[in-house]
Amino acid sequence: EEQLVQSGAQVKKPGDSLKISCKALGYTFPNYWIAWVRQVPGRGLDYLGLIYGGDSETKYGPSFEGRVTMSVDKSIATAYLQWSSLQASDSAIYYCAKPGSDRYYYMDVWGEGTTVTVSS
Amino acid sequence: SSELTQPPSVSVSPGQTATITCSGDVLAKQYAHWYQQKPGHAPTLVIYKDTERSSGIPDRFSGSTSGTTVTLTISGLQAEDEADYYCQSADRSANYVVFGGGTKLTV
Repeated sequence: EEQLVQSGAQVKKPGDSLKISCKALGYTFPNYWIAWVRQVPGRGLDYLGLIYGGDSETKYGPSFEGRVTMSVDKSIATAYLQWSSLQASDSAIYYCAKPGSDRYYYMDVWGEGTTVTVSS
Repeated sequence: SSELTQPPSVSVSPGQTATITCSGDVLAKQYAHWYQQKPGHAPTLVIYKDTERSSGIPDRFSGSTSGTTVTLTISGLQAEDEADYYCQSADRSANYVVFGGGTKLTV
């Protein structure tokens, strides 16, 4: 069974750095992209970007390039999302998801989400 | 425009049929996909490539398309179908990926 297992909830202060993870199980990680999606509580889904598990090629959503950094470690089938300086507006649930196709990019497997709270 | 527009809310009685629309210029060229999200849970894929049902999704769920609008139809509504529904599209190079604003379905 394909699964994405995400790291636990984080509480940080403005200006802190943070790196959250998404471990892939049950499929060949280097052969697929991983997407990151943000959801502010009570709001909709925002696309952050995609990263390819094989060669770390990245595609950032227009609103997030420069604000977050995606990376992978294919040796442990894990994708990461990181911030160098968090802001209160970064408080949200962050999901990783696996596109089922590299032509149509529908997300057929989702992680359980990582809640990030940024508060002074 | 690369935006996808959904109605904020739809309310339908149990046993009836709900239709949720998603409109956007990109849908004339690209497929749409639909997700269901229940409170406190991650989204799950319901329909992909406009009309294909994801594994394990009952045949009460169906998708259709016409021009720049795609529609998710849920027949024989059950209480368990109450959720938020999101459409999503992407170009084939994933140079853009976009979600609709979501529709809250009340049964």
